[in-house]
Amino acid sequence: ETGVTQSPTHLIKTRGQQVTLRCSSQSGHNTVSWYQQALGQGPQFIFQYYREEENGRGNFPPRFSGLQFPNYSSELNVNALELDDSALYLCASSLGRQVSTDTQYFGPGTRLTVL
Amino acid sequence: KQEVTQIPAALSVPEGENLVLNCSFTDSAIYNLQWFRQDPGKGLTSLLLIQSSQREQTSGRLNASLDKSSGRSTLYIAASQPGDSATYLCAVSGTGANNLFFGTGTRLTVIP
Repeated sequence: ETGVTQSPTHLIKTRGQQVTLRCSSQSGHNTVSWYQQALGQGPQFIFQYYREEENGRGNFPPRFSGLQFPNYSSELNVNALELDDSALYLCASSLGRQVSTDTQYFGPGTRLTVL
Repeated sequence: KQEVTQIPAALSVPEGENLVLNCSFTDSAIYNLQWFRQDPGKGLTSLLLIQSSQREQTSGRLNASLDKSSGRSTLYIAASQPGDSATYLCAVSGTGANNLFFGTGTRLTVIP
């Protein structure tokens, strides 16, 4: 158990809809990162938030957006869903700002299916 | 751009066998390398983290080595057990990067 939780566990949406995924980090962890993991692939970095501000972004379009709240929870929002957005979405929390020095603790993920 | 490759993509071994998983990365300017375990449909569990200044790390039956100059890491699992069956992912953290770069994983099956 990493102390990081995600909801919902599974979600089915149709193309063009919007979705919000939620993550609850370990208490005291100021950094949350979101990753997308397509079937059979390694996780791909979407973006990171540090103390409620975006602190880095991967190669994902603007329809992927996020929020981080003072209570160590965060959201990933995806607009105008496409079939290729079907994946396991993982969040990871860490204590400090530097991924290079801090251990990241991953949640169990949300499985999103877009039909 | 950092690229991480893992070979083999899948591996099946009988219980009790020792095995080695391989990971290579293209940019040797890394801060650290981590090995993760992922059970089907689940999140990631960190197994070992090697800082760039270190050569290896050990935890129980697991030993990970890092050769930064050649862009390679290995994960050695001793006396494999059926409970070791999972996908093993390696990930590197680059200088100035806020994220981990993952390989595609090696799916390990340990046959009783």
